[in-house]
Amino acid sequence: NAGVTQTPKFRILKIGQSMTLQCAQDMNHNYMYWYRQDPGMGLKLIYYSVGAGITDKGEVPNGYNVSRSTTEDFPLRLELAAPSQTSVYFCASTNPPRAQFFGPGTRLTVL
Amino acid sequence: GDSVTQMEGPVTLSEEAFLTINCTYTATGYPSLFWYVQYPGEGLQLLLKATKADDKGSNKGFEATYRKETTSFHLEKGSVQVSDSAVYFCALSGVTTDSWGKLQFGAGTQVVVTP
Repeated sequence: NAGVTQTPKFRILKIGQSMTLQCAQDMNHNYMYWYRQDPGMGLKLIYYSVGAGITDKGEVPNGYNVSRSTTEDFPLRLELAAPSQTSVYFCASTNPPRAQFFGPGTRLTVL
Repeated sequence: GDSVTQMEGPVTLSEEAFLTINCTYTATGYPSLFWYVQYPGEGLQLLLKATKADDKGSNKGFEATYRKETTSFHLEKGSVQVSDSAVYFCALSGVTTDSWGKLQFGAGTQVVVTP
């Protein structure tokens, strides 16, 4: 049971480049989430999904896109990367009202 | 809407000292309450949880009791170790249509334990 896995662990992007952050879970959780955590700050919800084919915006969705074609995978797409997107990105999953389980994070720097 | 307020850090303690981190919440009904811990360079790990009033969550020597009357979920540990140095987040999962399945986090409290 791998739990929640994220790839890559680290990435440096140039301004204007695009990339996809991968997230997968093997716990058969219906709900999945993407958060960002800026240095010294708490977590902000970017997007979430309540099941395959269903996604919704969180608190800070601008500049990001998501898709959920399977229960297991929930990729986050960054289009036209900007320095303001430099952050650590965490994926999480759960079946509410149980606790969310978090991945190890992806540290992204946009230069 | 739902919200969580926790004490600001950093909290600096000596090894074997008593730790309390205050957490209060605002929410409709009976939310589930959680404490997460984040060690340097890592993701968030669930430390403990409570799902109904008067429940006590406990793990690794940490405890927190769900107090509906004071809308609080304070985290305590009787004797901290250097390895407890981390950032601690209080969070709730609401029960309304809008809040169901989403976590509302506090700002986090950094704890530094010195030998």
